[in-house]
Amino acid sequence: DTGVSQDPRHKITKRGQNVTFRCDPISEHNRLYWYRQTLGQGPEFLTYFQNEAQLEKSRLLSDRFSAERPKGSFSTLEIQRTEQGDSAMYLCASSAGPRGTGELFFGEGSRLTVL
Amino acid sequence: LAKTTQPISMDSYEGQEVNITCSHNNIATNDYITWYQQFPSQGPRFIIQGYKTKVTNEVASLFIPADRKSSTLSLPRVSLSDTAVYYCLVGGLILRSARQLTFGSGTQLTVLP
Repeated sequence: DTGVSQDPRHKITKRGQNVTFRCDPISEHNRLYWYRQTLGQGPEFLTYFQNEAQLEKSRLLSDRFSAERPKGSFSTLEIQRTEQGDSAMYLCASSAGPRGTGELFFGEGSRLTVL
Repeated sequence: LAKTTQPISMDSYEGQEVNITCSHNNIATNDYITWYQQFPSQGPRFIIQGYKTKVTNEVASLFIPADRKSSTLSLPRVSLSDTAVYYCLVGGLILRSARQLTFGSGTQLTVLP
């Protein structure tokens, strides 16, 4: 399977714990995005990488959130001291650079439940 | 950033053609229009992309008028499996800002038997 993969698919944690999600983009894609989606809403942009550089961060990404993309390959999204409001689906997407079509390829998402 | 406006929901019957319109009044010259489909508990999936006039692929058509301030996704002969949320996005291949790849609330299409 050469699509975007995310791990874990589901995570249940207690408030105050740290969680980390991993995203493996399509191998030739240099752009990687993280979105968050809550029930009944469209995906909300969190952050964007071009290769290993994190070029944009949403105001939604508080200082408890950190994302990395070492070596411009896979990416991780860590949430520290989780709160119940962090419960959501975390989606990763990748796309090719300027020579691509701009189409976003999404993974299946990582669903976080904070108790 | 080009904001998009879509109907919240639409109902249709199997076999009918469905047209979902998206308004994007402040679309920029370099912006493309892309439509995505999302099923529950899955990531959005690309349907179709266009810049102007009409684009057709094996699953849908996209109609874009000359002023490009709106676009219409057309799904021919829908089936129950087309029940999903449909989003239109406006953004450019030359990415000025990733924030422009912003999803609205989408249109919940329900296909009835």
